[in-house]
Amino acid sequence: QKEVEQNSGPLSVPEGAIASLNCTYSDRGSQSFFWYRQYSGKSPELIMFIYSNGDKEDGRFTAQLNKASQYVSLLIRDSQPSDSATYLCAVSDSSASKIIFGSGTRLSIRP
Amino acid sequence: DAGVIQSPRHEVTEMGQEVTLRCKPISGHDYLFWYRQTMMRGLELLIYFNNNVPIDDSGMPEDRFSAKMPNASFSTLKIQPSEPRDSAVYFCASSVGTTGELFFGEGSRLTVL
Repeated sequence: QKEVEQNSGPLSVPEGAIASLNCTYSDRGSQSFFWYRQYSGKSPELIMFIYSNGDKEDGRFTAQLNKASQYVSLLIRDSQPSDSATYLCAVSDSSASKIIFGSGTRLSIRP
Repeated sequence: DAGVIQSPRHEVTEMGQEVTLRCKPISGHDYLFWYRQTMMRGLELLIYFNNNVPIDDSGMPEDRFSAKMPNASFSTLKIQPSEPRDSAVYFCASSVGTTGELFFGEGSRLTVL
């Protein structure tokens, strides 16, 4: 079992709709959870982080964490064509310093 | 700040040759990570350093791979001898503490023929 699992997609969402991206992780000791965005041919960049159970909102983005279910999600409201990218879920292990990435979900926003 | 600087951006080499990838982290960052990205395996952590000391190298695929960080402003990842299956984009990233906000370099695209 991979440590951080994501559906590879592609996930196609119409412009203006909500995109929902999901991630599960295997290490119950994981402390911190991150969403990175990677445009084709570019390096990953951090868009959200969450440490506690519940929701965290930042503009059009909402991260959700459920430690009991070992599940993290990212919601993108009012999806824009510029949101088309690969979204990488990342998790820190119990030491909090080792950052492991999922394989990413490719998101495509269709006009 | 100039960000994380990696070199070379592109490297094409033949099987059996030695490859050295270089990274300059952001000044003041105390963690440095080396990742490898392929379509098949995604973004894999190879090794990371804290204050120039290797903390976890369990992701290094085999003895052909080695990494060093002689000082706070420079790290190398060496592959000797290289093989076609090493073809990938190699990213260096740095961070302050264990916040998890990694700042990535632009990557080094390696092609081994």
